[in-house]
Order: sequence, then structure tokens, then C-alpha cells
Amino acid sequence: DGGITQSPKYLFRKEGQNVTLSCEQNLNHDAMYWYRQDPGQGLRLIYYSQIVNDFQKGDIAEGYSVSREKKESFPLTVTSAQKNPTAFYLCASSILSGTDSTEAFFGQGTRLTVV
Amino acid sequence: RKEVEQDPGPFNVPEGATVAFNCTYSNSASQSFFWYRQDCRKEPKLLMSVYSSGNEDGRFTAQLNRASQYISLLIRDSKLSDSATYLCVVRHGGYQKVTFGTGTKLQVIP
Repeated sequence: DGGITQSPKYLFRKEGQNVTLSCEQNLNHDAMYWYRQDPGQGLRLIYYSQIVNDFQKGDIAEGYSVSREKKESFPLTVTSAQKNPTAFYLCASSILSGTDSTEAFFGQGTRLTVV
Repeated sequence: RKEVEQDPGPFNVPEGATVAFNCTYSNSASQSFFWYRQDCRKEPKLLMSVYSSGNEDGRFTAQLNRASQYISLLIRDSKLSDSATYLCVVRHGGYQKVTFGTGTKLQVIP
């Protein structure tokens, strides 16, 4: 079955450590996105990528880094520079099209907690 | 001004009621519009796309008003299972970025 997979589902990090969240899709989608959601709040865009080896900062990119070496994969690294990393992280992908309305598909999310 | 704005709610409505949510967007070049539903501690899932002519899916009706730059979602005969957060989503022309609203929380009460 095609879909988008995030791992791990739950992640605990000590302060000062970098951690990498995995996001893989087999939908052949060009665009991939990382969002952060805090309790009771909406989704805020961290980074997005429209094509391999290219990505753009979203609204809250500070303290995060990404790579897009393969079309299928868009890992997110939460660095020690991110002051409040505890949150629910969602990865999404979508088709890029100039005319069609295409939805974004989400992974099941990674819940990161700093201990 | 935020790119996509929604009333956060919560909207507390009795079962069987009709409820409507609005969402405004700032980029007039926006091309595609969607409503997503998110249950507590879960990922968002597509509820319905919003077409220029408006569209209906059972108890749900979505409308787009390009002149005033807003979309709406109408839910008729509310069920307890409709309780969730409803996210407005806009895809922009040009660089095709997807922007989410912060969501409107709906609680249907018995």
C-alpha cells in the first residue's frame, strides 16, 4: 500500500542532543513538508521541499535542519539549538501540479519529548 | 496578517445542530483549498476539497468565495463523531506551498 511513514512514533531526547525524525513516502510525490504542532495549536511549517536536493525554510525553521537526497525521504533533525523541541511533528507530502487540486497526505506523526 | 485565519473556537453544539466554520486567506493567487479533520493526538486527514462551484458530501458542504477570499464548511445534523478540530488548508500559486490554518475545534454535545 502507498503511503507516508514516520518513525519513531514516540521519541525522548535529553537536552543538548540532536535527534533525527524519519519521513518516507512511496507515493511518488514531489513535495514534502514538516510541520510542528503544539498542544491546542495549529500546524506551523518548519521546512518544505519541492524537489530533490532543494528545500526552503518555513515559518519556524530555527533550530531545525533537513535534507532531501532522495525523492522518497525527507528527514528532519532537531538540533540542540531548538529551545522548545517538545511537540508533535508531522510530515506530509503532495503532488506538485500547476492546475490540479491535490491533497497533502500525512504520516502518523512523531511525538518528541525532551527529558 | 496571517496567510490563513480561522476562529479557534471551541464551538459547542448539540447533536442535530447545523454549524458553520469560516476561513479567510490573504494570498489572492491561492489555487487550491481543502478542509481537513484532525482527531485528538492524530494526524490530519482530508475531509473534502473545496471547488469554485461549491461541493457537498453527505452532511458536509464546502463553499469558496474568491472575491472575499474565504472558504466555509457547513455541517448539518451534527453527530457526536463529528467532534474534532477542522483545519482549513490553502495551496498558493507560484511556489505551491501548502499553508494550514490553526484549526477550529468542534465539540458536539449529547
